[in-house]
Amino acid sequence: GENVEQHPSTLSVQEGDSAVIKCTYSDSASNYFPWYKQELGKRPQLIIDIRSNVGEKKDQRIAVTLNKTAKHFSLHITETQPEDSAVYFCAARTREGSNYKLTFGKGTLLTVNP
Amino acid sequence: GAVVSQHPSRVICKSGTSVKIECRSLDFQATTMFWYRQFPKKSLMLMATSNEGSKATYEQGVEKDKFLINHASLTLSTLTVTSAHPEDSSFYICSAFRTLQPEAFFGQGTRLTVV
Repeated sequence: GENVEQHPSTLSVQEGDSAVIKCTYSDSASNYFPWYKQELGKRPQLIIDIRSNVGEKKDQRIAVTLNKTAKHFSLHITETQPEDSAVYFCAARTREGSNYKLTFGKGTLLTVNP
Repeated sequence: GAVVSQHPSRVICKSGTSVKIECRSLDFQATTMFWYRQFPKKSLMLMATSNEGSKATYEQGVEKDKFLINHASLTLSTLTVTSAHPEDSSFYICSAFRTLQPEAFFGQGTRLTVV
């Protein structure tokens, strides 16, 4: 099955700096890669996603890049703010039979220091 | 966006009792729902895939007799933790895909504490 590796596990930056989180996946059939932000005790919230036919996508301060050949994708947050502090998960979606399945990375705890 | 509602948000139960968690898709029909378990500061681990009208598909290592899943309608899946023990204490989250949309929608999660 799919295996998603995520690095780093923790990341601390100063407010205004950029943050980069990287993920790799193993199944070349994976075709959709979402990123989720999860605050303590709350549900994961989709912040950006990218499909396998696109190399880069940007939404204001957040961008995601995908390298299908190397099977890795990255989340970039620019001009970080304290409210960006949370756990971020990458995921890869594969199809198993008639169902889709999401496999998550282990998460990155991002701390933005004021 | 689509809404998935999970209930209860918190539950405390005694060892040996059973607890039922509900996951509802409020504005769409979900033929498939997913149940995850999350330990503190850890990732979401898929427990099982719930299919409407058929048996759930459990991930390796998940006891199907302990974690009973029922998906009796296109908008409701339930997870019952039977004979709960303190080690079952965790955060349980459900999610669903909406037809023709790739993103997963998550319930609010249920914090289960077994005392």
